[in-house]
Amino acid sequence: DSGVTQTPKHLITATGQRVTLRCSPRSGDLSVYWYQQSLDQGLQFLIQYYNGEERAKGNILERFSAQQFPDLHSELNLSSLELGDSALYFCASSASGGAYEQYFGPGTRLTVT
Amino acid sequence: GIQVEQSPPDLILQEGANSTLRCNFSDSVNNLQWFHQNPWGQLINLFYIPSGTKQNGRLSATTVATERYSLLYISSSQTTDSGVYFCAVAGYSGGGADGLTFGKGTHLIIQP
Repeated sequence: DSGVTQTPKHLITATGQRVTLRCSPRSGDLSVYWYQQSLDQGLQFLIQYYNGEERAKGNILERFSAQQFPDLHSELNLSSLELGDSALYFCASSASGGAYEQYFGPGTRLTVT
Repeated sequence: GIQVEQSPPDLILQEGANSTLRCNFSDSVNNLQWFHQNPWGQLINLFYIPSGTKQNGRLSATTVATERYSLLYISSSQTTDSGVYFCAVAGYSGGGADGLTFGKGTHLIIQP
């Protein structure tokens, strides 16, 4: 158990809908990262938050957004869902920004029908 | 951005065999991690190793940062070692982007 929690574990929704994925980092960790794993794109970095502020963006679509709350949990919002958004979404956390080991949650498996 | 190449892409071994997985990266890194993704999809941290050598039981890893590669060694393989092994790196950047870039992975199958 990495100490990073994600909810829900599974999510099935229809095209055009909006969903919210939730992540709680390890106790004491200030940085939260979101990653997407799909068959065609592999594992790719989406976005990073550090202590409530957006720190870096990766390959995140404009239809996707995220935020980190004062208690350091984070939410990833996916809107206008398309079939291609079906993937495993991971949250990771690290002690701080910079070169610290990242620990991954169990993931949320999103299926868009 | 940084490119990460892993080899071999697939590896089938008998239980008890040893293996070496390789990760090449295209630029200087300040973070390099090895992960094992089990059949249930969980990403398990194996090593945080931007440079040097580490060992943990039957697993060990070496990163030669100056030559931009890392090796993961698995000795006396067990069926529970099956899964996909990922190398992931993050490079130095003034903007502070710390997101990991993952390789495509090595799919390891250990047969009893």
